[in-house]
Amino acid sequence: DTEVTQTPKHLVMGMTNKKSLKCEQHMGHRAMYWYKQKAKKPPELMFVYSYEKLSINESVPSRFSPECPNSSLLNLHLHALQPEDSALYLCASSPRIASQETQYFGPGTRLLVL
Amino acid sequence: GQQVMQIPQYQHVQEGEDFTTYCNSSTTLSNIQWYKQRPGGHPVFLIQLVKSGEVKKQKRLTFQFGEAKKNSSLHITATQTTDVGTYFCAGPWDQAGTALIFGKGTTLSVSS
Repeated sequence: DTEVTQTPKHLVMGMTNKKSLKCEQHMGHRAMYWYKQKAKKPPELMFVYSYEKLSINESVPSRFSPECPNSSLLNLHLHALQPEDSALYLCASSPRIASQETQYFGPGTRLLVL
Repeated sequence: GQQVMQIPQYQHVQEGEDFTTYCNSSTTLSNIQWYKQRPGGHPVFLIQLVKSGEVKKQKRLTFQFGEAKKNSSLHITATQTTDVGTYFCAGPWDQAGTALIFGKGTTLSVSS
């Protein structure tokens, strides 16, 4: 199984809502990532987890809160988002935290903040 | 942090023509990866280059890593409509190589 799954596929939320994005992989990978991608732009790194511990937080606002409950799951909790946070949120995993490891991306969650 | 520049931003070709996208860095890269993202899709890994001067081929795609390990290219011979998408190069995010930083991508469109 070389698949990374993400739910939901689409999400529309108001600025006062609280929602969560979920990501799951069963490849035994110990590194998991959250990226944000705006239209016609490259993926931008947000968070990196290594062995369920937060390794990198790329200066992301606190309205985004990541969580890695176990080695297969990665969540992104959203609260009080702004319209400019509307984007495609991509989860990825790799065997370990290293730039020489292939990253496997999920299909993403398309988020619209109204 | 590291930066990876990629050109051109857009390229339109007629089916059957060749296509090349270029990636370069001001610093030596330990490795470089290439990904393809179809319209409405997510990035999919194509290949990784590690050695100086390395050349790898996948059918009509040829990937090169420069001798100085500061630049790379992806060349597609005789493009097909299935080649449409955005091609990203990605290098190490930091000196420790903990993650990837993506170039801006080259969006390829192909008319038949």
